[in-house]
Amino acid sequence: AQSVTQLDSHVSVSEGTPVLLRCNYSSSYSPSLFWYVQHPNKGLQLLLKYTSAATLVKGINGFEAEFKKSETSFHLTKPSAHMSDAAEYFCVVSDSQGGSEKLVFGKGTKLTVNP
Amino acid sequence: EAGVAQSPRYKIIEKRQSVAFWCNPISGHATLYWYQQILGQGPKLLIQFQNNGVVDDSQLPKDRFSAERLKGVDSTLKIQPAKLEDSAVYLCASSFDRGQYNEQFFGPGTRLTVL
Repeated sequence: AQSVTQLDSHVSVSEGTPVLLRCNYSSSYSPSLFWYVQHPNKGLQLLLKYTSAATLVKGINGFEAEFKKSETSFHLTKPSAHMSDAAEYFCVVSDSQGGSEKLVFGKGTKLTVNP
Repeated sequence: EAGVAQSPRYKIIEKRQSVAFWCNPISGHATLYWYQQILGQGPKLLIQFQNNGVVDDSQLPKDRFSAERLKGVDSTLKIQPAKLEDSAVYLCASSFDRGQYNEQFFGPGTRLTVL
C-alpha cells in the first residue's frame, strides 16, 4: 500500500523567509503525489500535483515541490513566506490498487508564520 | 461555479445517539467521497461512490456507519449509534471523471462532537 510520512508536525518561520515542509513517500510503483492546504474552518485545497511529468512542480501561491525518486521525497517549498500561508499542509499519495483511486493523506504539518 | 456543500457545519450529540450529515457535490461530478478527519490526523477515506454505486467502502465501520447516494447526486452519511471516538470532522469531496487523475474538490466539513 502507498503511504506518506510528513517529517515535521509543526514548522514555524518568519514572514519573508523560506518555507520547507518535508514529505517522504512509500510506493511500490511510480506514484502520483499531491500537496493540499487546509486553512482554519475552510475546505482542503489542492496546492500542486505530480503525476510523472516534470519532477519540479509549480503550484498556486508561489509554492513548488520537487519529486526525487532516489530519496523518495516530495518536499514543499516557497521562497518567501507570507502571513496568509499559515495553515495545515498535507502531503498525499494516490493509491490506485483495488480498481479505485484513493487519496492517502499524511498526518499534516502545521505552518506558523511569525511577523 | 458553486463548491461542495455540506450541512450541518457543527453537531454536538451524546454517545449512543444518531446523527446524519448531508453533502451536495459540484454539479456534474460523478464521484463522491466521504472522509473522516480526527484531530491531529490527515483525512481518511470512508466511502467512495461513482454515480449511485459504491466503489470503495473498505474503511467504513459498517456496524454503525452507513451512507447512500440516491439518484447519483447528493449523499447522506449516518452514524448510529455514535461513540466517543467518532468525534471528528467529516469531509465530503467530489470529482469529475475525465481520465488519469481526477482532482477532488472538498467541502468545508461537518465538525462532530460526541459527548
